[in-house]
Amino acid sequence: GAVVSQHPSWVICKSGTSVKIECRSLDFQATTMFWYRQFPKQSLMLMATSNEGSKATYEQGVEKDKFLINHASLTLSTLTVTSAHPEDSSFYICSARDGAGSRYGYTFGSGTRLTVV
Amino acid sequence: AQKITQTQPGMFVQEKEAVTLDCTYDTSDQSYGLFWYKQPSSGEMIFLIYQGSYDEQNATEGRYSLNFQKARKSANLVISASQLGDSAMYFCAMRDRSGGSYIPTFGRGTSLIVHP
Repeated sequence: GAVVSQHPSWVICKSGTSVKIECRSLDFQATTMFWYRQFPKQSLMLMATSNEGSKATYEQGVEKDKFLINHASLTLSTLTVTSAHPEDSSFYICSARDGAGSRYGYTFGSGTRLTVV
Repeated sequence: AQKITQTQPGMFVQEKEAVTLDCTYDTSDQSYGLFWYKQPSSGEMIFLIYQGSYDEQNATEGRYSLNFQKARKSANLVISASQLGDSAMYFCAMRDRSGGSYIPTFGRGTSLIVHP
């Protein structure tokens, strides 16, 4: 089945630095990828939708300059948290929809736990 | 208004018994899809089952079945013969044509604890 590889699975960084999270679709072409943020014991909050070769569409309230999303190829999307602060600490998870628009549609990465100290 | 409502923050069930996790949804689209995902403590989202709005039969996948009641806009997940490994967060999600594109929306989740 479809697999999405997300790296790193966890990262600790200092306040003010930037962190890049990668999501790769391993056996299918992901025309659309979704990036979510999840706080402990809460639901997934959609941050942005990225389409290959075009600018990401950010949800209301999400700072596009802080959360940079790049979807340069059909198999790779990256989320860069710029100038990270402790309040950016969270669980970030991506999902991809394969180009065929399959019935099930969405495959998730394993998530990244970001801790900013 | 919330598109997906999961009213049970937590559920307890004894091993080997069946449990129903509730989910109601709100959409004006005729074509939509409903999903259930399992999220164990490791954080990964595991796809369990899918129901299309035009599917005439309730979806089943092994021990999971979806009780789809279209008129009531409910899509409850039934887990039969619960196992200890079923302890996790469960999220109901819907895909409809929101703002011109199909974007999945998730409920707040239900924490299921299976005890021996």
